[in-house]
Amino acid sequence: NAGVTQTPKFRVLKTGQSMTLLCAQDMNHEYMYWYRQDPGMGLRLIHYSVGEGTTAKGEVPDGYNVSRLKKQNFLLGLESAAPSQTSVYFCASSLGQGAMSGYTFGSGTRLTVV
Amino acid sequence: TQLLEQSPQFLSIQEGENLTVYCNSSSVFSSLQWYRQEPGEGPVLLVTVVTGGEVKKLKRLTFQFGDARKDSSLHITAAQPGDTGLYLCAGHTGNQFYFGTGTSLTVIP
Repeated sequence: NAGVTQTPKFRVLKTGQSMTLLCAQDMNHEYMYWYRQDPGMGLRLIHYSVGEGTTAKGEVPDGYNVSRLKKQNFLLGLESAAPSQTSVYFCASSLGQGAMSGYTFGSGTRLTVV
Repeated sequence: TQLLEQSPQFLSIQEGENLTVYCNSSSVFSSLQWYRQEPGEGPVLLVTVVTGGEVKKLKRLTFQFGDARKDSSLHITAAQPGDTGLYLCAGHTGNQFYFGTGTSLTVIP
């Protein structure tokens, strides 16, 4: 039971470099999310997708882009990394978007921008 | 601006003690969820409460949704080292869940 798989688990980037974080889910979930987790800030939504080919901005979208070309995959891109993007990034998926929907999270990607 | 505030932020207790953590907001939610996150892992869903005043029990964990659906509490009886982790609440409004700041619990053997 893989659930939600994130790659890579760790990454160090230099300021200005670009990278893509990969998220894959095998539960046939329609909805997928990217969050960042910072000390004392909780989980903050970056972007989300309500289905294949659709994406929308969350609470903190600046500096990030996303794509959902296939239902099972949700990619998060950083075009020009900044130290403020040092964080732990979590991908999540859910079957629905309603009040009873539970999120399944990946194990996270720890990104350091120097 | 944080929609959900959790308290305390940090809690360290001895094995066997009882504890309560709180999740508060000025907003009304259609549901509230609690997650537990262990170091190096993503959050895992523990429970969803929907009705104001609802109480749910999961072994030694008791979850309560406030009557006005603005707050929630998590009570752990006879805490064990395996309960150690970050506890997050998440409130549902506007087709989205908003996460709280978290309570980091350490249970000392």
